[in-house]
Amino acid sequence: NAGVMQNPRHLVRRRGQEARLRCSPMKGHSHVYWYRQLPEEGLKFMVYLQKENIIDESGMPKERFSAEFPKEGPSILRIQQVVRGDSAAYFCASSPGDTREKLFFGSGTQLSVL
Amino acid sequence: DQQVKQNSPSLSVQEGRISILNCDYTNSMFDYFLWYKKYPAEGPTFLISISSIKDKNEDGRFTVFLNKSAKHLSLHIVPSQPGDSAVYFCAIKNSNSGYALNFGKGTSLLVTP
Repeated sequence: NAGVMQNPRHLVRRRGQEARLRCSPMKGHSHVYWYRQLPEEGLKFMVYLQKENIIDESGMPKERFSAEFPKEGPSILRIQQVVRGDSAAYFCASSPGDTREKLFFGSGTQLSVL
Repeated sequence: DQQVKQNSPSLSVQEGRISILNCDYTNSMFDYFLWYKKYPAEGPTFLISISSIKDKNEDGRFTVFLNKSAKHLSLHIVPSQPGDSAVYFCAIKNSNSGYALNFGKGTSLLVTP
């Protein structure tokens, strides 16, 4: 399966712990996007990265959240000191290039904060 | 402040009939419009798109209509099939401002046999 791979599918954390969400884009794609979906809401853009560069992080909360897409390996969305309000489905998407093109989404990581 | 609105949370349609899903937006600078379909426990999958220079785009059973003056977008599925039962999101962007797709809250479509 050459689709966008996200892991873990489910992640449970206690308040104050760190959450690390991983995303491997489709083969040949060098552009990664992270979206968050709160219950009963649509997906909200968080950040757009190319290899080793953050291009647009206008949707990222200013504190506790960070993202990277290293030269080698998957993209990581990191949430420090999680709070209950961080509980959501986090989706990663990739595209081959031109941002006008459709995005290919992974199956998401469901984060639950106890 | 919801820039993209899908005012019908759910829709039920009989198999073989037409399904019409609607989406309204507020920002006249939006210029690229997409529909995504989402099954439970899966990520959204791209369905069909249209740019602001067109008012209609068709792909098999799926047609998207764009009314720029009304800031209204609709997806027609005909004939509807039980496998079309899913949540449908409209997603819109301003290609000249950032990289974000702005999603609506989704409409849950149920196609009954």
